Formats: sequence, structure tokens, C-alpha cells
Amino acid sequence: QSVLTQPPSVSAAPGQKVTISCSESGSKIGNNYVSWYQQFPGTSPKLLIYDNNKRPSGIPDRFSGSKSGTSATLGITGLQTGDEADYYCGTWDSSLRVVFGGGTKLTVL
Amino acid sequence: EVQLLESGGGLVQPGGSLRLSCAASGFTFSSYAMTWVRQAPGKGLEWVSSIIGGGDNTYYADSVKGRFTISRDNSENTLFLQMNSLRAEDTAVYFCAKCPHYYYYYYRMDVWGQGTTVTVSS
Repeated sequence: QSVLTQPPSVSAAPGQKVTISCSESGSKIGNNYVSWYQQFPGTSPKLLIYDNNKRPSGIPDRFSGSKSGTSATLGITGLQTGDEADYYCGTWDSSLRVVFGGGTKLTVL
Repeated sequence: EVQLLESGGGLVQPGGSLRLSCAASGFTFSSYAMTWVRQAPGKGLEWVSSIIGGGDNTYYADSVKGRFTISRDNSENTLFLQMNSLRAEDTAVYFCAKCPHYYYYYYRMDVWGQGTTVTVSS
């Protein structure tokens, strides 16, 4: 079964840039699209990035996504305190089961 | 405005059953696959089950297969999750989510409900 690995936490100062990695081990998801979700405490997740690097309407271009092989990266530039949240990557495995990373808590110092 | 509103959560004893509902509005419900995702307290997201737009095909995580049943009533714009033989490890907030395709439920979830809490405890 596929596993998506994310760092448990990342931090950076306001105005800086941060990246969150999502790497795959196990089933063959290297050719599959990756999505990213943002979740504030006590709220539901929100789609942030889809198809590796596309932003839904209303998501600022400070948020970006990329993918290379079996690793994906979420980038956030111009960090704001309002960006403090949990971030999850997601994709699917060869059995078409949806899989999520363990989540990364972003702290804006 | 696209909206999803879950209901039906609550406290249930181990081995018991619960039926969750998700009322959809603001889009053509039958045109899109739908998914349930859960989040245990302090934990990450876990995919539970998905159903394509017409309801003909359903998909389950191994952890719930044989115990949970996903269904939908397209005439009432409502998604359901029947949960039987509940276990303590099923305790979580359950979110329903819309997928932007009729078939490809696994691509992404573009709209999420606010969630309903299920607690399995004696």
C-alpha cells in the first residue's frame, strides 16, 4: 500500500518562503496527480492545489505546487500569519484508493 | 453557492450502527462523484469511501470494507454512509466531499462539508 510522507512540521518567518514535501513509497503513484489541502484547526479541508500545480479559483498565486517523479512540493511565498494551518498532500494508488500524507503543521514565527 | 451539510453523527456503542447524511446544494448533484473522508482526533485525513455520480459503482478503504455502505439519492441530492459494526477506531469527524468528475473520484475533492462527529465508546 502506498504511503505519502510529509514532514510533521515546518516553520518560517512572515514574508519568507516555505516548502512542504510529499514523497511516495510503495505502490505506483509516480504518474498520478497530486493535490494539496489546507486545514485550519476545527474546520474542514480546502483544496489548495490540484493536478500537481494548478490553483482553484480564489487561491492566491503565493501558493504553488510542483512534482518530480514520486515527490511533490507545496511552496508558499510571502508567508502570512494567516497561513498557519495543517497542509495535506493527496493522490491515489494503483488500486484507485485515495491516499493522503500525514499532514504538515505550518508555523509562521 | 455550492454547499455540503453533514448530519447524523453522535455517540454509539461498539458494535452499533449509525447512518450519516450529506445534503448537497448549489450544483447538479448527480453529475459528480462523492466521497467520505474521516479524521480521527488529532490525526490526519483518511479516505473512507467514494461513489460515482450515478451511484452504480462504490469504493471503500480496507479499514471499513464490509462494515460501511455508501449510497446516494440523486432525487434528493443526498449522500449517505451506513456504518455498521462500529469500533472505537472509527471515532472521527466524517467529512463529505464533492469530486469534480462523474467517475474519477480519486482525482481530488474540490468542496468539503463542515463534518459530523462520530464517537464510538461504551
